[in-house]
Amino acid sequence: EDQVTQSPEALRLQEGESSSLNCSYTVSGLRGLFWYRQDPGKGPEFLFTLYSAGEEKEKERLKATLTKKESFLHITAPKPEDSATYLCAPCSGSARQLTFGSGTQLTVLP
Amino acid sequence: NAGVTQTPKFRILKIGQSMTLQCTQDMNHNYMYWYRQDPGMGLKLIYYSVGAGITDKGEVPNGYNVSRSTTEDFPLRLELAAPSQTSVYFCASSYSETSETQYFGPGTRLLVL
Repeated sequence: EDQVTQSPEALRLQEGESSSLNCSYTVSGLRGLFWYRQDPGKGPEFLFTLYSAGEEKEKERLKATLTKKESFLHITAPKPEDSATYLCAPCSGSARQLTFGSGTQLTVLP
Repeated sequence: NAGVTQTPKFRILKIGQSMTLQCTQDMNHNYMYWYRQDPGMGLKLIYYSVGAGITDKGEVPNGYNVSRSTTEDFPLRLELAAPSQTSVYFCASSYSETSETQYFGPGTRLLVL
């Protein structure tokens, strides 16, 4: 059974204080790992897809990396507008479905 | 493009009542999905569709039904509402199979009392 765990559950940062969010996964035949951002009362918004270990993708202050068992979302010099819940979702080859983690709620204080 | 739209935004149901959650996408996507999101939990797949006339069960289908008569629309039906169906429901779509990026609607918040 595919499993995914995100940590920490919640993270409070001061503006400019860099940190990383973790996504640990166990899937059979990874087809891709997705990162989404979700603002309160909104649907998830796509950020990145990573397909193979060693791959990295960047968007503004966010960088996502992937290993065979984990993915990290690095946030460099965050701003208050980066406050949101960040979801990761690996897609397995057997299930052909996304398995969503419960998310990390990030709060960036000014 | 409006993307994925959902109606209503919020609804209160009494136990045993029925309702249909509407979902429409204007991106000509073949694949559509219904998820539910409970507090502190990841999104769970209820049903999905790979094209008009073709649907299949996801992880948590009990208590729900779907139909897909057109490419654009994918309604979710609750026949006999139960308190356990209190949740936020998201519809999503993608151009091809699940490994492609899914685009989500704004969600429907449902409260069953």
